[in-house]
Amino acid sequence: RKEVEQDPGPFNVPEGATVAFNCTYSNSASQSFFWYRQDCRKEPKLLMSVYSSGNEDGRFTAQLNRASQYISLLIRDSKLSDSATYLCVVLQDSGGSNYKLTFGKGTLLTVNP
Amino acid sequence: GAGVSQTPSNKVTEKGKYVELRCDPISGHTALYWYRQSLGQGPEFLIYFQGTGAADDSGLPNDRFFAVRPEGSVSTLKIQRTERGDSAVYLCASSPGTFSYNEQFFGPGTRLTVL
Repeated sequence: RKEVEQDPGPFNVPEGATVAFNCTYSNSASQSFFWYRQDCRKEPKLLMSVYSSGNEDGRFTAQLNRASQYISLLIRDSKLSDSATYLCVVLQDSGGSNYKLTFGKGTLLTVNP
Repeated sequence: GAGVSQTPSNKVTEKGKYVELRCDPISGHTALYWYRQSLGQGPEFLIYFQGTGAADDSGLPNDRFFAVRPEGSVSTLKIQRTERGDSAVYLCASSPGTFSYNEQFFGPGTRLTVL
């Protein structure tokens, strides 16, 4: 089983739609959780951290369920500029202060006019 | 300010050749990471430096891969006897902290193609 698994996608949605991304992780000792965004042929960039209480940043809402080892990202009122690959990322402390990021495969989102 | 830079942006080489990929982290960042991203996959961890030393090289796929960071700033990833399966985007990231998690900032990557 992969350490971080995401919806395979791709997702094609019209502007204004709500879209949800799901992710599960296998290591129960994982400490922190993130969603990264990666535009085509660009580097990954941090979109938002994910907290146990759930957190929101404008149109983006992230949720974490530690018991189920499940992470989600919801995008409301999607824009053309939201088109990108969304990467679910899990942080583990692998010792020696090495905070190793483990990435899922990513889910490609295309928002259509 | 300047972000993480990587050179070259693209590298095409022949099977069996040696390549070096360079990473310039954000000034003052003590932690430096190398990742490899194959087509259709997320980045995979290769090696982590804290200062000059490789604190974790558990992600290096085999002994053809080696990385150095001699002065605690610039890092070079070296690949010997390249194979077609080494073709990927090699990403470097740096972060400022050592005692707790700090955001990792990625460079634009080097796209390596082994013919």
